[in-house]
Amino acid sequence: ETGVTQTPRHLVMGMTNKKSLKCEQHLGHNAMYWYKQSAKKPLELMFVYSLEERVENNSVPSRFSPECPNSSHLFLHLHTLQPEDSALYLCASSPGVRTGELFFGEGSRLTVL
Amino acid sequence: GIQVEQSPPDLILQEGANSTLRCNFSDSVNNLQWFHQNPWGQLINLFYIPSGTKQNGRLSATTVATERYSLLYISSSQTTDSGVYFCAGGNTGNQFYFGTGTSLTVIP
Repeated sequence: ETGVTQTPRHLVMGMTNKKSLKCEQHLGHNAMYWYKQSAKKPLELMFVYSLEERVENNSVPSRFSPECPNSSHLFLHLHTLQPEDSALYLCASSPGVRTGELFFGEGSRLTVL
Repeated sequence: GIQVEQSPPDLILQEGANSTLRCNFSDSVNNLQWFHQNPWGQLINLFYIPSGTKQNGRLSATTVATERYSLLYISSSQTTDSGVYFCAGGNTGNQFYFGTGTSLTVIP
C-alpha cells in the first residue's frame, strides 16, 4: 500500500465537463504537489502546497484549480479542459517544501475528448 | 531553473547484463532522487542520495555533488527492471527538476 493515494486512476471527460482529482497522503508530510506528465516531456510541477497554503503556481491555466483543505488532502478541480490537457497527473508529498524525499501516488490518467 | 540531462535516453539489455545510467545537473543540488516508473505510471522511489553512495540489492547509486552528477548502477538486470528511470534534483531555492528519463528494456 502506497503512502500517497490518488483517485480516480483513470478519467475520461469531455471539454465541457467538471471533474476533480483527489490525493491523500498518510505520511505526516507538510508539503503536497501536483505534477503533470505528458508524453516525451519531463515532469512539470503545477502547484505546491505547504500546510494548506499554496506556495507555488507555475503559470498553470485557470481551468486547473487546486484545493488543499488540510495537510493530508489535495484536490485538482478540472473544468473546460482541452484535449492537450490529456496526461498523467501525479500527486506527491514531502516532509517540507523543497526538503526531504518526494513520494508519489499512482497517478490519475486523464483523457479529454 | 535547473537543467537535468539523463543518458542514455534508451537502453536495451539482455537479462543478466549490467548497466549505468547517468544524470547531470546544470546547478548544485542538495536534494537528489532516483525513481523507477512502472508500466502503470507510478514513480517508485529508488534512492534519495544528495551525496555519497548507497546500495539496495542489485541497485546502487553514487552522487558526486561537487561535480553535479549522479549515477545509477543496475547489476544482473531482470525483465522486471524494465521501465523508465528518472532522476530529479533541487536545492533550497528551487523545486525538484526532473530529467526526461532513461527508458530501459530488459529482454529475456
